[in-house]
Amino acid sequence: DAGVTQSPTHLIKTRGQQVTLRCSPKSGHDTVSWYQQALGQGPQFIFQYYEEEERQRGNFPDRFSGHQFPNYSSELNVNALLLGDSALYLCASSPGTGGAFGYTFGSGTRLTVV
Amino acid sequence: AQKVTQAQTEISVVEKEDVTLDCVYETRDTTYYLFWYKQPPSGELVFLIRRNSFDEQNEISGRYSWNFQKSTSSFNFTITASQVVDSAVYFCALSEVSGVQFYFGTGTSLTVIP
Repeated sequence: DAGVTQSPTHLIKTRGQQVTLRCSPKSGHDTVSWYQQALGQGPQFIFQYYEEEERQRGNFPDRFSGHQFPNYSSELNVNALLLGDSALYLCASSPGTGGAFGYTFGSGTRLTVV
Repeated sequence: AQKVTQAQTEISVVEKEDVTLDCVYETRDTTYYLFWYKQPPSGELVFLIRRNSFDEQNEISGRYSWNFQKSTSSFNFTITASQVVDSAVYFCALSEVSGVQFYFGTGTSLTVIP
């Protein structure tokens, strides 16, 4: 049973560019959340998608946007990349909200902005 | 506002020693969830335990045990007879009753020396 799958695993982009990260949730999970983890820090909540809608958003600018597809997979888009966007981006899935069950996390996409 | 503090940034122990990882949280909610996750070098966050705010019973799972004390807003994690495979970064997290957004601490990096 595959867990949460993220692609790509590593990515290098130039400041000002745009990037799309992808996530396939664990089988049976319909909710996808995205977190940003800067080096040496804990993950920070970006947003959560459920039924193809953004359910809740953390304290991130509009440059960060997302999408959820009918098959529950999700994309995270970041526009106008800044050096400070360099981080590990983690996708997490759950059946319903995470509080009741705890999230299943992927291994992340390591984004480096140069 | 929700906040999780893990004051121990790095801990090193010799194999077979016991080690306790501290977690202190802040919330104004009366109902909330607390979690511990393990992050090995692969980057994936591995779920260890979930506690709701009404359940203050301590829990033991093999070499792992958790001490939840609402009076001191602490949720500490003890590894008994540590092993090299326990080396990882450990995160404590808090979620509100909706369970949507998780608030993570900054993590404690544990190194178990053979």
